[in-house]
Amino acid sequence: EIVLTQSPGSLSLSPGERATLSCRASQGLSSYLAWYQQKPGQTPRLLIYGASSRATGIPDRFSGSGSGTDFTLTINRLEPEDFAVYYCQQYGTSPPNTFGQGTRLEIK
Amino acid sequence: EVQLVESGGGLVQPGGSLRLSCAASGFSFSSYWMHWVRQAPGKGLVWVSRINSDGSSTTYADSVKGRFTISRDNAKNTLYLQMNSLRDEDTAVYYCVTGGQGLDTWGQGTLVTVSS
Repeated sequence: EIVLTQSPGSLSLSPGERATLSCRASQGLSSYLAWYQQKPGQTPRLLIYGASSRATGIPDRFSGSGSGTDFTLTINRLEPEDFAVYYCQQYGTSPPNTFGQGTRLEIK
Repeated sequence: EVQLVESGGGLVQPGGSLRLSCAASGFSFSSYWMHWVRQAPGKGLVWVSRINSDGSSTTYADSVKGRFTISRDNAKNTLYLQMNSLRDEDTAVYYCVTGGQGLDTWGQGTLVTVSS
């Protein structure tokens, strides 16, 4: 089973700053890695798929990179609405399609 | 409008059973793999199960294997999750989810509470 480890567990930044979130896989994933954003009381929203492709309607301040076992979600010029919990997920053909434990992005 | 609407959640005693349903509309249901994802109160997302487009292949998380069964009825555009031998740790909001690359369509979820 592939385990995804996200770091840091929480991140405290100010609006306008850049956030860098990491997701490390216990085995190679190729590029079958997605990122989700979840705000309190809301369902998760797909941000990035294929490690680096933005989903429909996602602002270009969100970007994903990486392949194999190391992946990064970068959020440039943080907006107040970006403060949320972020999850990575592997969705390749090898089940289970596990999620990381999440990174909480908080306003400093 | 693409929509997934879950139902069937509720309060059940440990060891009991429950069947969740997810009604899909606004897209070609029979063409998509479907998933169940759960989230315990205040906790993270946990992938539970998936089923391929024609229902011939299913996969489960180890934590539910042998107790939960995912199925679908493409004629009714409906996904199911039969949950047996429920445990306290199965308490969560259960989301019906789908997507092509990544999971881009989520239902609002249905709460399952396992408690005596």
